[in-house]
Amino acid sequence: EIVLTQSPGTLSLSPGERATLSCRASQSVSSSYLAWYQQKPGQAPRLLIYGASSRATGIPDRFSGSGSGTDFTLTISRLEPEDFAVYYCQQYGSSPPATFGQGTKLEIK
Amino acid sequence: QVQLQESGPGLVKPSGTLSLTCAVSGGSISSSNWWSWVRQPPGKGLEWIGEIYHSGSTNYNPSLKSRVTISVDKSKNQFSLKLSSVTAADTAVYYCATGYCTNGVCYSNWFDPWGQGTLVTVSS
Repeated sequence: EIVLTQSPGTLSLSPGERATLSCRASQSVSSSYLAWYQQKPGQAPRLLIYGASSRATGIPDRFSGSGSGTDFTLTISRLEPEDFAVYYCQQYGSSPPATFGQGTKLEIK
Repeated sequence: QVQLQESGPGLVKPSGTLSLTCAVSGGSISSSNWWSWVRQPPGKGLEWIGEIYHSGSTNYNPSLKSRVTISVDKSKNQFSLKLSSVTAADTAVYYCATGYCTNGVCYSNWFDPWGQGTLVTVSS
């Protein structure tokens, strides 16, 4: 099973700033199989990025994903008030199980 | 646009069986897609439980495999989850989800859309 470790656990920033979230895998993950989700309190997760760098339908272009192998990054270029939430990375390659990172909480500074 | 809705008891006794159903609307469960269950203990992260294809093929998380059964009912356009021998550690919000579809292709690798989730508490 591939373990995903996200850092930092909590990120405190102000609106308008740039956010950089990290996801490290315990073994190499094909970039085709890495995704990022946003979850707000009381809501289901929402898919932001799939295939490491492709934005899902309706996702603003301030969200971008990059990386390969074991190191992946989610960048939010200019934080909007609605971006403060918990973010999860997820992988599901050629065999189960799908696994999620433990999450990064992005909070208002 | 596919929409998912979970339903089932919100309280299950320890050692009992948790049973949930996910109703699919806006699309057919017989489409070329996989249908998944994911859970989230209060204040914690996400755990994938397993998935099913309309043919009945399943994949389960090895950590839960001995206790999980996922089934599909094509006549009702829904799929179900059963988790046996539950303990307090199984208390969680349970989500159903399906593979993300774009440009006419569906991918089982990531999940979108999701249901709103239903809280199941294991307690006597």
